[in-house]
This record gives sequence, C-alpha cells and structure tokens, in this order.
Amino acid sequence: EVQLVESGGGLVQPGRSLKLSCLASGFTFSNYGMNWIRQAPGKGLEWVASISSSSSYIYYADTVKGRFTISRDNAKNTLYLQMTSLRSEDTALYYCARHSYYGYNRDWGQGVMVTVSS
Amino acid sequence: DIRMTQSPASLSASLGETVNIECLASEDIYSDLAWYQQKPGKSPQLLIYNANSLQNGVPSRFSGSGSGTQYSLKINSLQSEDVATYFCQQYNNYPRTFGGGTKLELK
Repeated sequence: EVQLVESGGGLVQPGRSLKLSCLASGFTFSNYGMNWIRQAPGKGLEWVASISSSSSYIYYADTVKGRFTISRDNAKNTLYLQMTSLRSEDTALYYCARHSYYGYNRDWGQGVMVTVSS
Repeated sequence: DIRMTQSPASLSASLGETVNIECLASEDIYSDLAWYQQKPGKSPQLLIYNANSLQNGVPSRFSGSGSGTQYSLKINSLQSEDVATYFCQQYNNYPRTFGGGTKLELK
C-alpha cells in the first residue's frame, strides 16, 4: 500500500522559514517524480513544485520561485520542501503527491498545515 | 500558463441523477487531463487520467471525455457517497494548473 506521510508544519511568523518532509513507503520511491500541492483554507488546489526521480528536473510555481526549494533523498525515501521568506498567503494545507509517468498525481498524502501569522 | 475554467462552481443533484462537470483549457492540452474527487476533510483522490481512463478501484459510474480544450466528467446514477468537490488538472505543461473546483451536493 502506497503511503505518503507529511510532517514539519506549524505556526510560523511572516518572513521566517519552515521545512516540510514527506516520508514515502509502499513503492520504489527513487523511480517516481514527486510534487508538492497546497490548498488554502476553503480554497482550491494550487501546484507548488515538482521534482523528477533523480532530481534532474525541478519546476516551481511563480508564486514560490526563489523562496521555496524542493528536494529529495532517495536513500531515505523522503521528499522535502524548504520554505523561506514565508508570507501570510502561503498559509495552506500542503500535500505531497506521487507523480505518474504521464504527469498526473496518482497518490496523495494526508497533508500538513502551515500557518503564517504574527 | 494554461488556464483551466471549470463549471459549474456548485451543483445540486438528486440521488440516481446523472451529473456533468465541464473543464475548459485556455489552449490545447492533448488529453493530458485528470479529474480528482475531494471529500470534506480528506485528501484528493484520482478518478480519471488521460481524459478518459478510469483509475483502478473507481466505480464505473464515473467517466471522462473530451479532447483539445474541452473536457467533461460524468457521474451516472448519483450516489450519496459522491458528495464531494471535484477538480480537473492539466499536466500537458508546467506550471501544472487546476480548475477552480465543483462542489457537488445532494438535492
């Protein structure tokens, strides 16, 4: 069974940093690209970043480019999202998702909440 | 960026009814379209990929169709467990973009 378990969320002040983790199990992590997708309270889904299986290709939404860094450790089956210069508009539930060969999100974690507020 | 316009934003239907949700892309996405279902308080779940392929385990009352810029999700014989918000997403290009969602309720 595929499992994606996010952690590292919490309440943080504007301008500060936070690092999210996503521990994967139930599949060969190193064979799949991974994504971070977020959902502000009561709002829709927003793609944040993608990373290929070997970290060769990385993409970011314009809203986070230059502030967020996606990375992975295939030896630890873990995906990361380093978030810096956080803003109130980054407040959201952050999901990690497994990328299919074609590009859709076939499996999602339960999400981790990030609240940016003073 | 490819803009995904989903309609309607909300929908009320009766048990057993057939429901259609539309998704319009701002340019041709060559059937690189997925549909997700999100129940209250839960993570999104994949329903349909490549515009018309049913994900394993998804009931056959769900179907997807479309090509080019116009796509649709059809739910036949609506069940109570189908109450959810539905999102389309294009994966033809980066940035990946989602439709705004359709909230489906029972009448």
